[in-house]
Amino acid sequence: GAGVSQTPSNKVTEKGKYVELRCDPISGHTALYWYRQSLGQGPEFLIYFQGTGAADDSGLPNDRFFAVRPEGSVSTLKIQRTERGDSAVYLCASSLTPTGTTEAFFGQGTRLTVV
Amino acid sequence: AQKVTQAQTEISVVEKEDVTLDCVYETRDTTYYLFWYKQPPSGELVFLIRRNSFDEQNEISGRYSWNFQKSTSSFNFTITASQVVDSAVYFCALSEADSSASKIIFGSGTRLSIRP
Repeated sequence: GAGVSQTPSNKVTEKGKYVELRCDPISGHTALYWYRQSLGQGPEFLIYFQGTGAADDSGLPNDRFFAVRPEGSVSTLKIQRTERGDSAVYLCASSLTPTGTTEAFFGQGTRLTVV
Repeated sequence: AQKVTQAQTEISVVEKEDVTLDCVYETRDTTYYLFWYKQPPSGELVFLIRRNSFDEQNEISGRYSWNFQKSTSSFNFTITASQVVDSAVYFCALSEADSSASKIIFGSGTRLSIRP
């Protein structure tokens, strides 16, 4: 498709379980971002990839969160030992160049619910 | 530190009224970008505008207009003759104007409801 694709759209998991969220960016976009949006809040930055490498992971809340982008395209956000506080919508965005210079396109998000 | 404040949590107006969404930002950078995004009930963030800090000209796009005032660190968004389809959450955001910049800082959003 032409836009940023995120799967699954919804994920319900039990506390303590491991989850993976997938992001398929727009073809040719080298910059990829993960954000987390809690209810009633604006998106909060988690991590930024330029190509295959994580150029800025300062937003990851703790070491239970990890993300990869092994081939510079699809990215996976991994959350270990999930907690109820991890429940949120996880948004992925991609842009042709870093967002300092160009527009970022967002996916529809994955709604994660930890029960 | 960078920060974006949208003091209006919710706004409700009757269709065809004009409405202005306020945005105030803080940054130590001399060059930066400001954005507005729309988030309809479907959840996807829709890009509306990006403005460079050196360009203080107001911009109009159809019923939408933006007023950027560096002196007051504000980047307000006005919808003229509002329509029900304008109902959404609107986010103002800020980013460094740097080729290596990595993040957009979002405000907490303003929920706009347009009543028929």
